[in-house]
Amino acid sequence: ETGVTQSPTHLIKTRGQQVTLRCSSQSGHNTVSWYQQALGQGPQFIFQYYREEENGRGNFPPRFSGLQFPNYSSELNVNALELDDSALYLCASSFPSGSPQETQYFGPGTRLLVL
Amino acid sequence: KQEVTQIPAALSVPEGENLVLNCSFTDSAIYNLQWFRQDPGKGLTSLLLIQSSQREQTSGRLNASLDKSSGRSTLYIAASQPGDSATYLCAVKNQGGKLIFGQGTELSVKP
Repeated sequence: ETGVTQSPTHLIKTRGQQVTLRCSSQSGHNTVSWYQQALGQGPQFIFQYYREEENGRGNFPPRFSGLQFPNYSSELNVNALELDDSALYLCASSFPSGSPQETQYFGPGTRLLVL
Repeated sequence: KQEVTQIPAALSVPEGENLVLNCSFTDSAIYNLQWFRQDPGKGLTSLLLIQSSQREQTSGRLNASLDKSSGRSTLYIAASQPGDSATYLCAVKNQGGKLIFGQGTELSVKP
């Protein structure tokens, strides 16, 4: 098991609501990436945070936003939930690109269901 | 735009068989390539990471190769076991640092 933890494990929301997902990175890692994985698909990159700043974003609308805290933990916020937001949300922590140990370590994910 | 494709989408083999999973990518300007394992409803476990300057990596019964010029990688699993049953994902990392994943190959190893 990696040292990356995510909460909650499961969540049910209704369309139009807002949700906050949380991630604690592995000790020493200062980079956190978030991915969305729809059923039967590979994960899709949402965004990455490095030292509390957004450091790259995928093709997701602005209602997907994030934060990284001084202890490198992170939050993913999704506003105005849509049915298609139902997915497994994965958090991965790592050292920044170019460092010798840059493998991304994934947490167990949060399963979000939007009704 | 980088695209990653995995073939086949699903594979069922009898226990003990050697097998190969395939991954192809459209842009050879990658930083590295990584193979992951995902059990149902779970997160991803990194299996092997191959830097762009490397040709292969090995870990136990697993061997991954990388041919950047042809945009291909293979994951070879020797002497498959029922515990190997899972979805295997291939991902390439570009210079921007994000991982671009294929859709995965769902492997079932029958006792």
